[in-house]
Order: sequence, then structure tokens, then C-alpha cells
Amino acid sequence: RKEVEQDPGPFNVPEGATVAFNCTYSNSASQSFFWYRQDCRKEPKLLMSVYSSGNEDGRFTAQLNRASQYISLLIRDSKLSDSATYLCVVNPSYTGGGNKLTFGTGTQLKVEL
Amino acid sequence: DTGVSQDPRHKITKRGQNVTFRCDPISEHNRLYWYRQTLGQGPEFLTYFQNEAQLEKSRLLSDRFSAERPKGSFSTLEIQRTEQGDSAMYLCASSSVRDRVSNEQYFGPGTRLTVT
Repeated sequence: RKEVEQDPGPFNVPEGATVAFNCTYSNSASQSFFWYRQDCRKEPKLLMSVYSSGNEDGRFTAQLNRASQYISLLIRDSKLSDSATYLCVVNPSYTGGGNKLTFGTGTQLKVEL
Repeated sequence: DTGVSQDPRHKITKRGQNVTFRCDPISEHNRLYWYRQTLGQGPEFLTYFQNEAQLEKSRLLSDRFSAERPKGSFSTLEIQRTEQGDSAMYLCASSSVRDRVSNEQYFGPGTRLTVT
């Protein structure tokens, strides 16, 4: 079983749609969680950290369910510029902070006119 | 630009040659990470430094790979006797010790290596 699993997509949605991505992780001791965005042939860019209470940043909402080891990202009113690959990322363990991140393979989103 | 920088951005080399990549982290960040990404996959962790100390190495990092961060600032990643399977994007990231719990990492633009 992969440490972080995502549906690779692609998700093709019309502009203005709401789209949700899900991700599961295998290590129940994982301490911190993120969504990164990656454009084609570019570096990953931090979109948002994911907190236990859930958090929102503009059109983006992230949720964490520790019991089910499940993370989600909701994008409302999607824009053409949201087209990218969305990477679910987990910090697998806490060892005083500052260690590796484990990435899913990413979910591709294409927003169309 | 005060983000993470990497040099070169692209490198084409012949199998068997040695290559070296450089990463300059965000200036106040004392943690530096190397990752490798192949097409269709997420980045995979290679190694991590806190200041000049290399604290963790992945099993992916064979004996042909070596990384240094001699003064706790920039880092180099060297691949000796390159193989075609080394072709990938090599990404560097940095984070701050003050961000101990969340460990938000910020990535450089990467070095794309092609081994022919």
C-alpha cells in the first residue's frame, strides 16, 4: 500500500464548478498535512497546510479526518488558472520537526471554458 | 528574488559522467531538503540537512549520490557515474526551524537532468 494515495484524475470541470479531491494516508502517526499545487514542468508550490479543525483560504477548503486517515481539498468557483496537479502531502512522523515529506502522485485538474 | 534557487536548471550528460547541482535555500531557513521527481510521480525524498549536519538519507540515495552543506548555507548534490535511470527533476526545498511542527517546505525551480 502506498503511504499517500490519490486519484490521479484527470478531473475535467467547467469554469465555475466546485471540485473536490480526496487523499488517504497509511501512517496513523503522521503529524502534519499539506496540499501543494504543481504546474506542468514547474516546482511544487505550497497551497495550504491542513489543520485538524479544517481550514479555508478563499475558494479553497481543506479538511482532515484523522480517524479515517483522510484529507480533502475543495475548490469552489474554479478558474481556468486552477488547472494544475494537486499533490497531497504528509509529514509521516514527528521527530522534533523538520524531516521528509511524503507526496502522493497528484490529482490532475483541468478547468475548461 | 528571495526564494530557493537552483543551478543549473537543465543538465544533459552522458552515461558514466559525474554531475553536481547546487541549491541556495531561503536565507533564514536552516533546513534544506533534496527530492527527486520522475514523470507522473510525486517528489521522493532523498536527504535532509539541518544547518551543516546531514540528518537523514533515503534508501533511494545510492553510493553514487552524495550531498553536502559545508557551511550550513548552500548545498550541493553530486551524482557519480550517472545512469539513464538517474534522469529526473532534482528538487531542493527549505524550511525554518521556527516552523517546527508544521514543517512547511518551499521548493526551488529544480534541476532537470537528462542522462543519454
